[in-house]
Amino acid sequence: QKEVEQNSGPLSVPEGAIASLNCTYSDRGSQSFFWYRQYSGKSPELIMFIYSNGDKEDGRFTAQLNKASQYVSLLIRDSQPSDSATYLCETNNNDMRFGAGTRLTVKP
Amino acid sequence: GAGVSQSPRYKVAKRGQDVALRCDPISGHVSLFWYQQALGQGPEFLTYFQNEAQLDKSGLPSDRFFAERPEGSVSTLKIQRTQQEDSAVYLCASRLDRAGKKLFFGSGTQLSVL
Repeated sequence: QKEVEQNSGPLSVPEGAIASLNCTYSDRGSQSFFWYRQYSGKSPELIMFIYSNGDKEDGRFTAQLNKASQYVSLLIRDSQPSDSATYLCETNNNDMRFGAGTRLTVKP
Repeated sequence: GAGVSQSPRYKVAKRGQDVALRCDPISGHVSLFWYQQALGQGPEFLTYFQNEAQLDKSGLPSDRFFAERPEGSVSTLKIQRTQQEDSAVYLCASRLDRAGKKLFFGSGTQLSVL
């Protein structure tokens, strides 16, 4: 089992809708969690991180962490076509291992 | 420089040829990571350095892959006797220190093995 699992999608939502991206992880010792966005042909860039159980909001993005169930989610409200990208989940342990990514398409 | 620099940006190699990919991390960044990303896939961890020490190389797919960071700054990923399945984007990322949180990525080297 990979340390980080994501539904590779693709996920398609209409403009203005909420996009929900999910990630599960296997290491109960994981302390911090990161969401990166990767546009096609570009390198990943950090968009959110979360350490504590619960929700963390930053603009249209909300990260949700549930350590008991070992999952972390990313919600994108009022989705825009510019949000179309692959979203990568990552746990920050000694090494940095990514999930396979979820490809999101926001249709105008 | 201001960011992580990787060279070359593109590399075409004939099968069996050796290649060397360079990563110049952000100055002062202690941790350095190499990833392999196939088309449509997430980055796959290859190896990790803390300063000059290679702490984890469990992701290197075969003994044809070798990475070094002799002075704790610039790193080189070497692939010997390249195979077609080695074709991918090779990403390098650095992080300030072990407790640092954010990875800074280079633009990657796209390797095509013919």
